[in-house]
Amino acid sequence: GNSVTQMEGPVTLSEEAFLTINCTYTATGYPSLFWYVQYPGEGLQLLLKATKADDKGSNKGFEATYRKETTSFHLEKGSVQVSDSAVYFCVQGGSEKLVFGKGTKLTVNP
Amino acid sequence: GAGVSQSPSNKVTEKGKDVELRCDPISGHTALYWYRQSLGQGLEFLIYFQGNSAPDKSGLPSDRFSAERTGGSVSTLTIQRTQQEDSAVYLCASRAGRGEYNEQFFGPGTRLTVL
Repeated sequence: GNSVTQMEGPVTLSEEAFLTINCTYTATGYPSLFWYVQYPGEGLQLLLKATKADDKGSNKGFEATYRKETTSFHLEKGSVQVSDSAVYFCVQGGSEKLVFGKGTKLTVNP
Repeated sequence: GAGVSQSPSNKVTEKGKDVELRCDPISGHTALYWYRQSLGQGLEFLIYFQGNSAPDKSGLPSDRFSAERTGGSVSTLTIQRTQQEDSAVYLCASRAGRGEYNEQFFGPGTRLTVL
């Protein structure tokens, strides 16, 4: 079945460091791809999405590009902040259901 | 406006007891999902309701799990004869309309602990 594999954490960075969280998916066709974020004590919320190959999703300084040739959707941010500390989930859409990766916990230290 | 709400926020129960978890979706959202988040795992799909259609129950792990959605709004997830492996955070999400492109909005979850 469809699955999503993302970089295992935890990831600890200093403020203003560059962030990459790798994500690859397995699916037939062209599923939509998402990154969801879970801040401490809060519910899951959509961070960004891309609905077709070569699309770039972006929000709050985060970006991810839908790469069909490598079946990847890596999350990047050029300069992280303490407030970015959270758990990040790479998610694959398809039909009506979402398939989640296991999540990567990011801690940003001042 | 109000988001997805879930109750209770925490539930501790003894092995073998039944529990009911409640979800109030965003008003007007026709799709409702239940997921389970276990420690160190991603979210596991449990069940999906869309309007008046028959629910997709393909993710329910055993026949001890069931869910209802009354009047196309509030949903209740019931776990009978709870086991320790049922301990997890149960998340509810709702979505407006059909289509994978539409965002799912998540509630804060119910943390279930089975002793």
